[in-house]
Amino acid sequence: QSVLTQPPSASGTPGQRVTISCSGSSSNIGTNTVHWYQQLPGTAPKLLIYSNYQRPSGVPDRFSGSKSGTSASLAISGLQSEDEADYYCAAWDDRVYGVVFGGGTKLTVL
Amino acid sequence: EVQLVESGGGLVQPGRFLRLSCAASGFTFDDYAMHWVRQAPGKGLEWVSSISWNSGTMVYADSVKGRFTISRDNAQNSLYLQMNSLRAEDTALYYCVKGGEDMASYGLDVWGQGTTVTVS
Repeated sequence: QSVLTQPPSASGTPGQRVTISCSGSSSNIGTNTVHWYQQLPGTAPKLLIYSNYQRPSGVPDRFSGSKSGTSASLAISGLQSEDEADYYCAAWDDRVYGVVFGGGTKLTVL
Repeated sequence: EVQLVESGGGLVQPGRFLRLSCAASGFTFDDYAMHWVRQAPGKGLEWVSSISWNSGTMVYADSVKGRFTISRDNAQNSLYLQMNSLRAEDTALYYCVKGGEDMASYGLDVWGQGTTVTVS
């Protein structure tokens, strides 16, 4: 059971917009910033969004993040086949005093 | 090029120990917190441990507290994870990960390729 809650799966067709939710609590998302990671099949995770909505250099602006209260969302617009991957949200948790991850969302591009 | 290279994984019997190492290059190692994150086969990401830039603070997941010890050698640009009393549930791919200037902020922005630990 992960501290942060994500839907296990999501799907969309090429060109569509997809959102992935991440629900937490006051000790993690409610107090600290949220980060999102993309893990392509067979590869190490990659930082996709940091500090709620910031994109690292090289990440397309099709990817965007937002946060409200104790929840956060990752949106992917103009969905492409290469976006098919597992997506994880994460945040520091002041109660656990460590990083907490969501269980991951497997995105399928139909 | 910023790079993290893990080593030290392998097959080990339950109750035994293993020491993982991570060699960092391409950035000022002693400016950043470092982390270990693991992924069991077919499962999601699980945070294991974090250490501040100056080793002043080390924190652990409850699942490894008292058995694992994180350390770093800034002169050698290296991160370590001493894993004692290993259990079958510790079987995973262990990633060395670069954090921000403090443990709680920023994302985990550089990941190694991982080293596999199998406890059996």
